[in-house]
Amino acid sequence: EAGVAQSPRYKIIEKRQSVAFWCNPISGHATLYWYQQILGQGPKLLIQFQNNGVVDDSQLPKDRFSAERLKGVDSTLKIQPAKLEDSAVYLCASSPRGRGDYGYTFGSGTRLTVV
Amino acid sequence: AQTVTQSQPEMSVQEAETVTLSCTYDTSESDYYLFWYKQPPSRQMILVIRQEAYKQQNATENRFSVNFQKAAKSFSLKISDSQLGDAAMYFCAYSRNQFYFGTGTSLTVIP
Repeated sequence: EAGVAQSPRYKIIEKRQSVAFWCNPISGHATLYWYQQILGQGPKLLIQFQNNGVVDDSQLPKDRFSAERLKGVDSTLKIQPAKLEDSAVYLCASSPRGRGDYGYTFGSGTRLTVV
Repeated sequence: AQTVTQSQPEMSVQEAETVTLSCTYDTSESDYYLFWYKQPPSRQMILVIRQEAYKQQNATENRFSVNFQKAAKSFSLKISDSQLGDAAMYFCAYSRNQFYFGTGTSLTVIP
């Protein structure tokens, strides 16, 4: 079974620039999550999709962050414009169902550095 | 909101010895799930062990076991016969409808 694929692996941008991250979940997994992990902290949920619909985006800074999951498969997370405090690892995860009873499968993340 | 607390930012253990990582959580729910994840430098979060709150029996996975104390809201991870490959960040997580992670414990394994 292929894992959760994420790209790029690393990204360095200047503040006020825009950036996009891509995630392809495990085939058949209906639920997809984007997490932000700031250095020294645990991952924090940004947005949860069930198929191509948003289940929870309460912690997504909507003035600069956006995400979509067209066709209920892969997903893109965008930041525009980026701020210094957006420097973090962005993790994508997927699960076969929306409940939290089974562990998620995580990708290897994208490390974003904003300078 | 649920909170997960890991009070040990760093731990170290001699190879082949046993180490216990601590985790406490806060919730008013009775039905939930608890997890330990390992995050090596590759950044990928790897599921180590899972505990269902309605089960009193502590989960075990090979050298990994937990001590689940529901009344105390405590969920510690014991790693037996520590190996060099166990060195990583370990995150405790609570889940009901979404995951809440602690701040992590960095484990060093000394040869």
